[in-house]
Amino acid sequence: GAVVSQHPSRVICKSGTSVKIECRSLDFQATTMFWYRQFPKQSLMLMATSNEGSKATYEQGVEKDKFLINHASLTLSTLTVTSAHPEDSSFYICHAASLNSEQYFGPGTRLTVT
Amino acid sequence: AQSVSQHNHHVILSEAASLELGCNYSYGGTVNLFWYVQYPGQHLQLLLKYFSGDPLVKGIKGFEAEFIKSKFSFNLRKPSVQWSDTAEYFCAVRSSGGSNYKLTFGKGTLLTVNP
Repeated sequence: GAVVSQHPSRVICKSGTSVKIECRSLDFQATTMFWYRQFPKQSLMLMATSNEGSKATYEQGVEKDKFLINHASLTLSTLTVTSAHPEDSSFYICHAASLNSEQYFGPGTRLTVT
Repeated sequence: AQSVSQHNHHVILSEAASLELGCNYSYGGTVNLFWYVQYPGQHLQLLLKYFSGDPLVKGIKGFEAEFIKSKFSFNLRKPSVQWSDTAEYFCAVRSSGGSNYKLTFGKGTLLTVNP
């Protein structure tokens, strides 16, 4: 079946640097990609929604200039955390959905900013 | 706006005990409802979903859930849990119709099953 992969699975970076997280869908076309972040012992919080080839729509309170989302193809979306700070440390999860309502979550990326 | 409440933060059971995890949602329109499971160190997996029809839906691994519209509830049940069911369980809701798959999640319930 379809699989959604994320790379890297874990990343540690220094404060002020940028980190790119890739989300790839295999065997299906991800027309819509959702990016979530999950803090320890908390729920998944939707950050943004992107449709292939369009600009992402960000949820209230999410800085679009800090969390850059690119969804240029039906199989790849990227989330770039720019000028990362310790408070950005979290678990980032992508969720890919196709037009026929197939949907799969990625395994997540653990970001630690020191 | 949609919201989802999961009343139990942490549930501890012994093997063979019965399980019921509560989920209530708030939304004025027609909804689709989901339960996801996240095993330790793994990604979210769909347990079951309700779109329409029979309000009692059966999912994988012996789980089932009942949609009670009048109570805005979608509780998850399993008659006899196993140690391998130890995981975090999330209830989620989306408005039905359209192609937008945006989900609103509850805060999750951690289930610990002791052998």
